[in-house]
Amino acid sequence: GQQLNQSPQSMFIQEGEDVSMNCTSSSIFNTWLWYKQEPGEGPVLLIALYKAGELTSNGRLTAQFGITRKDSFLNISASIPSDVGIYFCAGQLRTSGSRLTFGEGTQLTVNP
Amino acid sequence: SQTIHQWPATLVQPVGSPLSLECTVEGTSNPNLYWYRQAAGRGLQLLFYSVGIGQISSEVPQNLSASRPQDRQFILSSKKLLLSDSGFYLCAWSGDRLFGQFFGPGTRLTVL
Repeated sequence: GQQLNQSPQSMFIQEGEDVSMNCTSSSIFNTWLWYKQEPGEGPVLLIALYKAGELTSNGRLTAQFGITRKDSFLNISASIPSDVGIYFCAGQLRTSGSRLTFGEGTQLTVNP
Repeated sequence: SQTIHQWPATLVQPVGSPLSLECTVEGTSNPNLYWYRQAAGRGLQLLFYSVGIGQISSEVPQNLSASRPQDRQFILSSKKLLLSDSGFYLCAWSGDRLFGQFFGPGTRLTVL
């Protein structure tokens, strides 16, 4: 089955720094999604990408759908303490219905 | 707007006891519904998904089962809990199109 490799597994940064994380796959996806999960809560959808090459922003967050359809990255600019959480990428394939393949997550810690 | 509810929020159960977790969705009809388990705050494991009433697909063989008695209700059950069933259980819904999944607040299950 499809697998997503998400990196890095964890990041420890200072407030104000920029963050970059990415996901790669051996298979193509039709949709890439990025979620954030805070402790004790369910993941929240941050950004959805639907076209190869698409670059989408949501406030300080920017994500891109790779040209090959096999990768995506998420950037967070000028991090703040409330950015702490686990960030998951997910890929969706049209032939799999609405099921998602998730990465293992990137644990982000922001030191004030 | 659509909302998704899960209860209970937390649960502590002895080994060998039964389990019933409930998930309901409001504000949409004919959703696809999903049960995930998350261990140690990392990685989402898809347990079951449903595309309609009475239609359940199992992704991982285990001592858990799922049922969908109504269009917007999804139940996760077990007849006898194991220690390894401890974890954070998440319910999610999606529409028919490739717009991602939306998660509930989760249930923290501890089996002692």
